[in-house]
Amino acid sequence: GDSVTQMEGPVTLSEEAFLTINCTYTATGYPSLFWYVQYPGEGLQLLLKATKADDKGSNKGFEATYRKETTSFHLEKGSVQVSDSAVYFCALTRGTIQGAQKLVFGQGTRLTINP
Amino acid sequence: DAEITQSPRHKITETGRQVTLACHQTWNHNNMFWYRQDLGHGLRLIHYSYGVQDTNKGEVSDGYSVSRSNTEDLPLTLESAASSQTSVYFCASGHHSTGELFFGEGSRLTVL
Repeated sequence: GDSVTQMEGPVTLSEEAFLTINCTYTATGYPSLFWYVQYPGEGLQLLLKATKADDKGSNKGFEATYRKETTSFHLEKGSVQVSDSAVYFCALTRGTIQGAQKLVFGQGTRLTINP
Repeated sequence: DAEITQSPRHKITETGRQVTLACHQTWNHNNMFWYRQDLGHGLRLIHYSYGVQDTNKGEVSDGYSVSRSNTEDLPLTLESAASSQTSVYFCASGHHSTGELFFGEGSRLTVL
């Protein structure tokens, strides 16, 4: 079945450091890929998405490129801030139009940014 | 503003009790989902619905049920709570034409 694997956390960085959180997936066909973020005490919210190979999703300084050849969707940010501290989830869906939101999530990566 | 709300936010119950977690959304979304979040597992799909009177099982549906009598609500029922169902539960909704889901703030359930 479909699956998503993220790098093990937790990840701790200093402010202004470069961030990479690795995500690889297993799925047949051409899934859509997502990054969701969960701030402390809140539900998940969509950070960015890409729906076809070579697409780059971007939002709030974060970027991820859909690499079909390596089945990856790594999250990057050039200079992190304390406010980026959160849990980040990689996810995919390859359902029908009606089921396009039946997401499969990775296990999540907890990110802590120190001032 | 449209929103999605869950209740209760925190609940402690005993093994064998029936528990219902409420989920209400005001976006008029057709699609609604229940996930549970556990350390090391991320989010796992319990049940989902594509519209009124439609319900489907997810990957961890045993011991749970849902019903969809209107567009706005998808209550999740634990028929006989077990300690293994101690978790944080998230409800989500979305329009079928986009990939984005909107999540509630979660319901933390402890089964003693």
